[in-house]
Amino acid sequence: DAGVIQSPRHEVTEMGQEVTLRCKPISGHDYLFWYRQTMMRGLELLIYFNNNVPIDDSGMPEDRFSAKMPNASFSTLKIQPSEPRDSAVYFCASSFSLRRPTEAFFGQGTRLTVV
Amino acid sequence: RKEVEQDPGPFNVPEGATVAFNCTYSNSASQSFFWYRQDCRKEPKLLMSVYSSGNEDGRFTAQLNRASQYISLLIRDSKLSDSATYLCVVNIYQAGTALIFGKGTTLSVSS
Repeated sequence: DAGVIQSPRHEVTEMGQEVTLRCKPISGHDYLFWYRQTMMRGLELLIYFNNNVPIDDSGMPEDRFSAKMPNASFSTLKIQPSEPRDSAVYFCASSFSLRRPTEAFFGQGTRLTVV
Repeated sequence: RKEVEQDPGPFNVPEGATVAFNCTYSNSASQSFFWYRQDCRKEPKLLMSVYSSGNEDGRFTAQLNRASQYISLLIRDSKLSDSATYLCVVNIYQAGTALIFGKGTTLSVSS
């Protein structure tokens, strides 16, 4: 398996533009997570899905952020409109069942810069 | 109070040194515990799970104290390749929760 695949790896955009980040989880995994990492705040959970259903989106900073998982092999995180404070590394991770000690596998991340 | 707290460091140690990292968590319902490692500009990767009885993996030893809500990681005989950020992680088996990460402790091992 290729692991969790995220695209793009780097994104530079202007304030006010829409940004869409993409994630392909590991096949067979039933949980998908979106995290954001900054120096100041560390790794923050934004939202996670179980079997394509959003379970907890309380970490989504505001209405400008939205996430979807239309099927088991694809998820998107959208920011509209983007702001400079959204600049961070966004990680997608997937795992198989959280109800026992198990490992979350991370993608390589998308480094977002909003200017 | 943050859910998972760690000393950010950095810890600067020479090769061969023994170094210990500590972590505290606030939710007593936490049921699973892990240490992840993150290299500079890379994604986090699981280093080891932490079990109540304590567990060892080569030069790495993890301990859990549920009463004090405290987790530790001990690295013996440090190598240059151990230089990274170590993230303490907890999981709460309740609806609406997932892996919660500490901000990490940075280790720099020098020759």
